[in-house]
Amino acid sequence: EVQLVESGGGLVQPGESPRLSCAASGFTFSNYWMYWVRQAPGKGLLWVSRINSDGSSTSYADSVKGRFTISRDNAKNTLYLQMNSLRAEDTAVYYCVREVTALARFGFDSWGQGTLVTVSS
Amino acid sequence: DIVMTQSPDSLAVSLGERATINCKSSQSLLYSSNNKNYLAWYQQKPGQPPKLLIYWASTRESGVPDRFSGSGSGTDFTLTISSLQAEDVAVYYCQQYYNIPRTFGQGTNLEIK
Repeated sequence: EVQLVESGGGLVQPGESPRLSCAASGFTFSNYWMYWVRQAPGKGLLWVSRINSDGSSTSYADSVKGRFTISRDNAKNTLYLQMNSLRAEDTAVYYCVREVTALARFGFDSWGQGTLVTVSS
Repeated sequence: DIVMTQSPDSLAVSLGERATINCKSSQSLLYSSNNKNYLAWYQQKPGQPPKLLIYWASTRESGVPDRFSGSGSGTDFTLTISSLQAEDVAVYYCQQYYNIPRTFGQGTNLEIK
């Protein structure tokens, strides 16, 4: 069974730099692109960042570019999101997401339960 | 970035009736080399992460009831629930995966009338 378990969220002060982690199991982690998607309270889904299967290529939403860094450790089956210079508007549930990319099947097929990051003084 | 716009923002439908949600993209999601539309639909119930319902605009994910169907091509897409059940109350999102970033629509909140 595919499992994605996020950790590292909580109450943080503006300007702090927490790191989110996502432990993956039940599949060959190194074969998949992975994403972080966030959802502010009562709002919709916003793509934050993505990383390819070997970690050589990354992309970021404009709202986090230069502040957040996505990375992965395929030996540890773990995805990370280093968040710097946090702002109140970064308050959200952050989901770790697997993307399946095949002609037979495509999309964000597995989601973690999410970790809430609340930025407040 | 490709902008995804859903309509309506909110929808109330009686049990057993049809629910229709529309999604429009700012550019075509039809990839000519394979004739596939790079469009997915997700369902998010309260307190849960989203769940993939449909990909390639019309292919149901394994285990998704056949009352859910997707249609459309190019820039205009529709998610239809043929006979609304109580467990279908959720927010529904469309998403394009034609390119990066993988943008979502703003969501449609589906309720029981």
